[in-house]
Amino acid sequence: SAVISQKPSRDICQRGTSLTIQCQVDSQVTMMFWYRQQPGQSLTLIATANQGSEATYESGFVIDKFPISRPNLTFSTLTVSNLSPEDSSIYLCSVGGGPEPGELFFGEGSRLTVL
Amino acid sequence: AQSVTQLGSHVSVSEGALVLLRCNYSSSVPPYLFWYVQYPNQGLQLLLKYTTGATLVKGINGFEAEFKKSETSFHLTKPSAHMSDAAEYFCAVSDPPNFGNEKLTFGTGTRLTIIP
Repeated sequence: SAVISQKPSRDICQRGTSLTIQCQVDSQVTMMFWYRQQPGQSLTLIATANQGSEATYESGFVIDKFPISRPNLTFSTLTVSNLSPEDSSIYLCSVGGGPEPGELFFGEGSRLTVL
Repeated sequence: AQSVTQLGSHVSVSEGALVLLRCNYSSSVPPYLFWYVQYPNQGLQLLLKYTTGATLVKGINGFEAEFKKSETSFHLTKPSAHMSDAAEYFCAVSDPPNFGNEKLTFGTGTRLTIIP
């Protein structure tokens, strides 16, 4: 299993500003995943972050809006830039946990409210 | 493309009653199927999974789910609800390894409320 810590757990931001979310894992992992959980909607994968290479973004998500860093095998950050109220969501960090794809461990999430 | 449909965004059951949360999927290949649970203010955790083999799978906290290929379903059940089962439940699907798309696709979730 993996223990994932996210910071901040919640924040309220003004539109036009940026928020950086940190994700710390208690073990070394190859891939880290960032998800968005919008109110009343399913989780959507934003990007996959590999150490030492650029993140791979899913359709509808771009690096300018969601820059990701992955400086080592236990840490990653997601920045949500130029905030608008539509960015109000829970952002979740996750890592693979088991022998099969799809078995993920999740952090507790970072709840962002944009005013 | 894969998709997951969870019927009922909110389900309420009485304590001790049967819990049934519905999940239907679409996939071009026999999928891997998962149920995740999210307790208030916590991250998601894996409840159970189906990959291959026995179609009835058992998970934590007395939950189980049955993969029915003919119905493209993977409904989650528990014979007797407990107050601690109150949470949000997500069904998810991925392609098996080497079929090209191993990313998880989640349903919209079902919030389970237990009535004392």
